[in-house]
Amino acid sequence: KAGVTQTPRYLIKTRGQQVTLSCSPISGHRSVSWYQQTPGQGLQFLFEYFSETQRNKGNFPGRFSGRQFSNSRSEMNVSTLELGDSALYLCASSVQGSGDSPLHFGNGTRLTVT
Amino acid sequence: GENVEQHPSTLSVQEGDSAVIKCTYSDSASNYFPWYKQELGKGPQLIIDIRSNVGEKKDQRIAVTLNKTAKHFSLHITETQPEDSAVYFCAADGGSQGNLIFGKGTKLSVKP
Repeated sequence: KAGVTQTPRYLIKTRGQQVTLSCSPISGHRSVSWYQQTPGQGLQFLFEYFSETQRNKGNFPGRFSGRQFSNSRSEMNVSTLELGDSALYLCASSVQGSGDSPLHFGNGTRLTVT
Repeated sequence: GENVEQHPSTLSVQEGDSAVIKCTYSDSASNYFPWYKQELGKGPQLIIDIRSNVGEKKDQRIAVTLNKTAKHFSLHITETQPEDSAVYFCAADGGSQGNLIFGKGTKLSVKP
């Protein structure tokens, strides 16, 4: 089975711009979660989607949004980028989500905001 | 909400020695406790997990123990090898929060 695929691997953007990251989950997985990873804060939960509905949301500003399509692929969008948004963004899929089933992570998208 | 503390933040051992990483959690409703290994340039990979109805689980050189009363769980790696060098994360399900909460990670270095 193919793993979780995230595109692109690297992105460089300027403050004020917006960015869209993409995630293709493992086939058959209906839950997709997004995490932000930074050296100081570790892995912080952004949101989870299950069957095209946002089921859970972390403590991030409204500039961070996401969606899930009928084929379970997911995108996250960050608008009005700030320097502090520079991070590794990780997507993870699972069969049922909700925190009590194994997460399978992609290799992430490294976002640099200048 | 759930809070997960992980210690130590860095750990250096000689090849062949054992390594132990400890985590504590705050939400008594948490029932699922996975451990992840992250190598440079890659996403975290699940290496072992345990649920609250089990006190210990083993998979070859890796074992995890859980003490629900004290709200702590530990990862034990025996006969460490250089390829075990990586960052290890513990996590707990957020109870009522419904998502995994991660510890801040432990950078393990195994010296040949």
